[in-house]
Amino acid sequence: SAVISQKPSRDICQRGTSLTIQCQVDSQVTMMFWYRQQPGQSLTLIATANQGSEATYESGFVIDKFPISRPNLTFSTLTVSNMSPEDSSIYLCSVGGGYGSGAIYEQYFGPGTRLTVT
Amino acid sequence: AQSVAQPEDQVNVAEGNPLTVKCTYSVSGNPYLFWYVQYPNRGLQFLLKYITGDNLVKGSYGFEAEFNKSQTSFHLKKPSALVSDSALYFCAVCGMNRDDKIIFGKGTRLHILP
Repeated sequence: SAVISQKPSRDICQRGTSLTIQCQVDSQVTMMFWYRQQPGQSLTLIATANQGSEATYESGFVIDKFPISRPNLTFSTLTVSNMSPEDSSIYLCSVGGGYGSGAIYEQYFGPGTRLTVT
Repeated sequence: AQSVAQPEDQVNVAEGNPLTVKCTYSVSGNPYLFWYVQYPNRGLQFLLKYITGDNLVKGSYGFEAEFNKSQTSFHLKKPSALVSDSALYFCAVCGMNRDDKIIFGKGTRLHILP
């Protein structure tokens, strides 16, 4: 298993500002994932962050709005840019998982960052 | 396209009674299936998974799930509920194709009544 920490655990931000969320893992991992969990809804994958390459974004998410860094195998950041109230959500970092045959593992999640935009 | 459905937003069970949290899925080919639990102000925790083999999968905290291919279901069960089982439960599915992504259900809130 992996132990994942996130900073900050929560924040209240004004619209138009940006917030960077940090994710630290206690072991080296190839892929890290960022999810959004809006109130009363399921998890939505924002992007996959591989070390040494550009993040891969899911439909509906763009790099200008959610820039991601992955400087090494244990750390990643997600920035929520030019925030609006619609960005209020829980943002989760995750490692593990798999995308197809031969590589299916369970995922491990950080505790989440609860963001409120006013 | 892959999909997963949790038809119940909330399930209420008396402590000591058996519990079931329902999950159905749609995927081309054979599925990989997962259950996760989320306690308040915490991230998701892995409970169990089905990859292949025995249809009854046992996991953490006394939970188990039964894979039913004909009904495309993967219901989560526990013989005797505890108050501490109260949490949000997510079912997830992934197909076996290389480009398939893990899809999460919308979650079911489980309330165990003392």
